[in-house]
Amino acid sequence: QVQLQESGPGLVKPSETLSLTCTVSGGSISSYSWSWIRQPPGKGLEWIGYLYYSRSTNYNPSLKSRVTISVDTSKSQFSLKLTSVTAADTATYYCARVVSVPSSRGNWYFDLWGRGTLVTVSS
Amino acid sequence: SYDLTQPPSVSVSPGKAASIACSGDKLGQKYASWYQQKPGQSPVLVIYEDDKRPSGIPERFSGSNSGNTATLTISGTQAMDEADYYCQAWDSSTVVFGGGTRLTVL
Repeated sequence: QVQLQESGPGLVKPSETLSLTCTVSGGSISSYSWSWIRQPPGKGLEWIGYLYYSRSTNYNPSLKSRVTISVDTSKSQFSLKLTSVTAADTATYYCARVVSVPSSRGNWYFDLWGRGTLVTVSS
Repeated sequence: SYDLTQPPSVSVSPGKAASIACSGDKLGQKYASWYQQKPGQSPVLVIYEDDKRPSGIPERFSGSNSGNTATLTISGTQAMDEADYYCQAWDSSTVVFGGGTRLTVL
């Protein structure tokens, strides 16, 4: 059974870089696409970006200038880097597995989620 | 950018049907998915491809999508269904979530 586990610092200073890793266990990281999603305290879900079959990436336009998602297939991990963070980036960050089926209607959803990790931006 | 709109809250009596709407421009031409999130937990996929249920999701959860509105319906709502629900679609190579609806079972 595939499991996802986020890891990384729970506290980041303003203007610094937030770095998180998602470890995929029980399955092949190369067989799926993967995504990062965040949720500020008491608010809704915000998609950050995705890694498409370890080949390409795409990001939320509102975060694109600050986000990088990368993969280390040898470690079965993919990572998130978010630069120049502010208090507005305080959130629980989730990694999730993507199911994408070629379709003119855009068939793309998240069937497996990690437990999430709270990252607080504060000095 | 593409937007999905949900009502902030919906209330339902136990045993009754609850419907949560998600509206977006020509949403019926896209696939809609729905996620349930209980306090302190990660979201769980409850509906994908408009009306399909993943394994383990009770039959009382159903979905539809037509025109500009996708709808999640919970028939015979139980206390355990009290949660936040989010719709989601894919548009122009980006993922969009609705703002979420808090379902209260009174």
